[in-house]
Amino acid sequence: GQQVMQIPQYQHVQEGEDFTTYCNSSTTLSNIQWYKQRPGGHPVFLIQLVKSGEVKKQKRLTFQFGEAKKNSSLHITATQTTDVGTYFCAASKRRTYKYIFGTGTRLKVLA
Amino acid sequence: GAGVSQSPRYKVAKRGQDVALRCDPISGHVSLFWYQQALGQGPEFLTYFQNEAQLDKSGLPSDRFFAERPEGSVSTLKIQRTQQEDSAVYLCASILDRAGYEQYFGPGTRLTVT
Repeated sequence: GQQVMQIPQYQHVQEGEDFTTYCNSSTTLSNIQWYKQRPGGHPVFLIQLVKSGEVKKQKRLTFQFGEAKKNSSLHITATQTTDVGTYFCAASKRRTYKYIFGTGTRLKVLA
Repeated sequence: GAGVSQSPRYKVAKRGQDVALRCDPISGHVSLFWYQQALGQGPEFLTYFQNEAQLDKSGLPSDRFFAERPEGSVSTLKIQRTQQEDSAVYLCASILDRAGYEQYFGPGTRLTVT
């Protein structure tokens, strides 16, 4: 079945350093969503990417969808302690309703 | 406005008991997902509703799991004869329109089967 892998699994950074998480699928995707889940909380929607090669920015966050629509990345510039949490990608294939969540990247930011 | 609510927030069940988990989506939201999230893992798709129609139930682990949304709003996930491996957080998410849009998640129900 469809699998969505995320790397790295964990990342510890000093406050102010940059952070990137990557999401990879073995099959072509229809769209991809990114979520953030704080410890003890529920996933909160960040962005959706639909077009091949699409790049979207939200303040310090940059999201990218690969040209082949099989991979995506989330980059955070100058991390802050408020960025702590687990970042998940959620991928959907065409003509299906289900979203497959990636394994997640747990980010810790050291002050 | 109110977000997605789920009840109970915590449930402890003895192995073999039946449980019912409730999801109140955001008013007017057409689509609804149920997910199962094990500790340290990402949410795993269980089932999808568009209004009252269950369009995809391919993620339900066994025939002990049953979900319904009879009037196209509130949804219930029922687990019969609970097993220890059913212990997880069960998340509900609603979407304003059909799948392909932002999912609004509820706080989840943490189920512990002893």
